[in-house]
Amino acid sequence: DQQVKQNSPSLSVQEGRISILNCDYTNSMFDYFLWYKKYPAEGPTFLISISSIKDKNEDGRFTVFLNKSAKHLSLHIVPSQPGDSAVYFCAANFGNEKLTFGTGTRLTIIP
Amino acid sequence: EAEVAQSPRYKITEKSQAVAFWCDPISGHATLYWYRQILGQGPELLVQFQDESVVDDSQLPKDRFSAERLKGVDSTLKIQPAELGDSAMYLCASSPRTAGIAKNIQYFGAGTRLSVL
Repeated sequence: DQQVKQNSPSLSVQEGRISILNCDYTNSMFDYFLWYKKYPAEGPTFLISISSIKDKNEDGRFTVFLNKSAKHLSLHIVPSQPGDSAVYFCAANFGNEKLTFGTGTRLTIIP
Repeated sequence: EAEVAQSPRYKITEKSQAVAFWCDPISGHATLYWYRQILGQGPELLVQFQDESVVDDSQLPKDRFSAERLKGVDSTLKIQPAELGDSAMYLCASSPRTAGIAKNIQYFGAGTRLSVL
């Protein structure tokens, strides 16, 4: 039972344009959502997060939007840069800190 | 910047052999996690420690996997005997003791890539 889903395995975006990565979840108990970025042969690196009491959180070029009624969140990267090419994982948890991850989306920024 | 340290980075072993992975969390982080990531999937929790106590090991295959964090600092994950299906990336993460949002952020090490032949 995949409680966190990233339905797009890959995404290609031109440098300078906006990258939008999507994530859906099924467990309505989740109250905290995180995005991690992963380069090959490295561990995931925390990128940005959002609590369920908010619908938007922004940090520089990265913005996460949460739509609780749709059980959907998205990560916007603008402008996209070549160094953003990586695999992005959406994760969620509630209370007890155990993270449930999606399967990841491979983002490729085309120069 | 403080990091989660893991060793070895790579491990190749034959099936039925024993393997062990080591993790040193960020100093002061009370919670430590071991995840397994199979290629093409997201990380899945194997075991979670709060200080030296196991909080969640419901997904740990206890017939062959064991984990310990004896002094509540560094941790070891062991597999004995290793099977072909154990080939994966084993990731260690830690999070601080503080309450609230900061507690939910987990910081990952670089992982150990295990190949079982």
